[in-house]
Amino acid sequence: ELVLTQSPATLSLSPGDRATLSCRASQDVRRYLAWYQQKPGQAPRLLFYDASDRATGIPARFSGSGSGTDFTLTISSLEPEDFAVYYCQQRSNWWSFGQGTKVEI
Amino acid sequence: QVQLVQSGGGVVQPGGSLRLSCAASAFTFGDFGFHWVRQTPDKGLAWVAFIRYDGETKYHANSVKGRFTISRDNSNNTLYLQMNSLRVEDTAMYYCVKDLDENYNDGSWFDLWGQGTLVTVSS
Repeated sequence: ELVLTQSPATLSLSPGDRATLSCRASQDVRRYLAWYQQKPGQAPRLLFYDASDRATGIPARFSGSGSGTDFTLTISSLEPEDFAVYYCQQRSNWWSFGQGTKVEI
Repeated sequence: QVQLVQSGGGVVQPGGSLRLSCAASAFTFGDFGFHWVRQTPDKGLAWVAFIRYDGETKYHANSVKGRFTISRDNSNNTLYLQMNSLRVEDTAMYYCVKDLDENYNDGSWFDLWGQGTLVTVSS
């Protein structure tokens, strides 16, 4: 079973800070990794796919990187609307998600 | 407006059945594959099922195989999830989700999500 492990579980930051979120896969997923943002009461929203391809409408302060087993989502300068839960997802072997990282104020 | 609007769901007893629906608008429904994804506070997000753009290929997660069936009606722009033999552990928020890529055979990324519908299995 392919497992995605996200760290940290919670990131406590302030507006304007840089956020670095990690996702590690238990086996090589090449670049078949995506990132989603979810706010309370809302469905997830696609941020990046194929590790670093930005989805439509996603601001440039967000960036995705990595390949193989180690991936990173970076938010260069947090805006108030960025405080949310972020999930990574792979589609190398069916589809599965990490457990999420909560970015809180 | 490009959107997916879900209906169905509710409270059902263990062993019961429900059918979820997902109506698409403002894009060419028949060009895209679709998924069902569920979410619980304990287990997080989990993929449930996929159907190819033409309905010819379907995949179901092991946890629901033989009990749930994904289907679609391209003439009515609607996706379905028939859920039979429901268990307490099927309690979750269920989302219908559109593939990112057109005419993609094996399922792509999760581009557009419905608003979610809550399924509660309880006696």
